[in-house]
Amino acid sequence: EAGVAQSPRYKIIEKRQSVAFWCNPISGHATLYWYQQILGQGPKLLIQFQNNGVVDDSQLPKDRFSAERLKGVDSTLKIQPAKLEDSAVYLCASSLGTSGRITDTQYFGPGTRLTVL
Amino acid sequence: GQQVMQIPQYQHVQEGEDFTTYCNSSTTLSNIQWYKQRPGGHPVFLIQLVKSGEVKKQKRLTFQFGEAKKNSSLHITATQTTDVGTYFCAGRINAGNMLTFGGGTRLMVKP
Repeated sequence: EAGVAQSPRYKIIEKRQSVAFWCNPISGHATLYWYQQILGQGPKLLIQFQNNGVVDDSQLPKDRFSAERLKGVDSTLKIQPAKLEDSAVYLCASSLGTSGRITDTQYFGPGTRLTVL
Repeated sequence: GQQVMQIPQYQHVQEGEDFTTYCNSSTTLSNIQWYKQRPGGHPVFLIQLVKSGEVKKQKRLTFQFGEAKKNSSLHITATQTTDVGTYFCAGRINAGNMLTFGGGTRLMVKP
């Protein structure tokens, strides 16, 4: 079974530039998550999708971050414009996402390491 | 908001010694999950605990969920160099809520 795919693996940009990350979840997984992991910290949820609808985006800095999952499969996360403090690994995860289950296991992709100079 | 704290942040052990990491939540949890992240890697799911007082074992790893469902621990017996990595707990308040990760405990094992 193929895992969660992410691209690019690495990205270096200058502050105020824009960047986009792509994620393809495990086939059949309804729920998709984007996390931000700053060096030395645990992953922080940015946004959670159930199919193509947003379940939780309370921690997404909406003035500069946006995400979409138009067809309920793959997803893109965009930062525009980037700031120095956005330097982090952006992890995508997916889960089966059966409605109402509290025991969903999340499977993480390899992440995109973003460096903002 | 919900906070999940882990201690210690770092732990150096000699190979063969035991290791324990502790996880505490500011609120009662419906379940807690544990993940391992190798250096340069991504988090990998280890186990999930749901019931109050639950204890689960995976070979040398023992996971516990507190009676009040506000704390948890992971204990590794006789560590090996392959145990190196950061161990994260992640808790959920109830169904549909987001998973909140702790800051992790980085384990280093000296051969």
